[in-house]
Amino acid sequence: QKEVEQNSGPLSVPEGAIASLNCTYSDRGSQSFFWYRQYSGKSPELIMFIYSNGDKEDGRFTAQLNKASQYVSLLIRDSQPSDSATYLCAVNPGGGNKLTFGTGTQLKVEL
Amino acid sequence: ETGVTQTPRHLVMGMTNKKSLKCEQHLGHNAMYWYKQSAKKPLELMFVYNFKEQTENNSVPSRFSPECPNSSHLFLHLHTLQPEDSALYLCASSQGLGDRGFFGPGTRLTVL
Repeated sequence: QKEVEQNSGPLSVPEGAIASLNCTYSDRGSQSFFWYRQYSGKSPELIMFIYSNGDKEDGRFTAQLNKASQYVSLLIRDSQPSDSATYLCAVNPGGGNKLTFGTGTQLKVEL
Repeated sequence: ETGVTQTPRHLVMGMTNKKSLKCEQHLGHNAMYWYKQSAKKPLELMFVYNFKEQTENNSVPSRFSPECPNSSHLFLHLHTLQPEDSALYLCASSQGLGDRGFFGPGTRLTVL
């Protein structure tokens, strides 16, 4: 079982819709969770982080964490073509000194 | 601009060459990382340094040799690489180990 799993996509949504990206992780002791956005040919850019169960909102982005079910999700409201990118989920396993990344989900926002 | 710089941005080298990648962070962070990103694969952690001491070597072949002279600078020395080592090499830093990391722009390496 992969430590961090994401659907590779592509996930296609129309402009203005809500994009929902999901990530599951295997280590129950994981404490920190991060979402990165990576445009083609560029490096990953941190967009959200969450440590506690529940929702965390920042502008059009909402991160949701459910530790009991071991999943973390990212919602993007009012999706824009500029949101088209690969979204990487990263998890810090319990007591770990590093982040473990998923393979990423490619999001396409269509006009 | 994340406060993490990398040079060179692009590098083409033969299998017998020796080259070095450089990373510098201006964020006052204590931890620095090297990652490898290949097509269709997740980011692979290579090395971790905390307060310039190596804390993790993720079974990386010896043809990759890291160096961390201080908390702000990180190098990756390359020698006798293989074509399958062609990838995007990313440097990152974080305040503490495992904290949210900030990436540099990466070095696109091609080994001929």
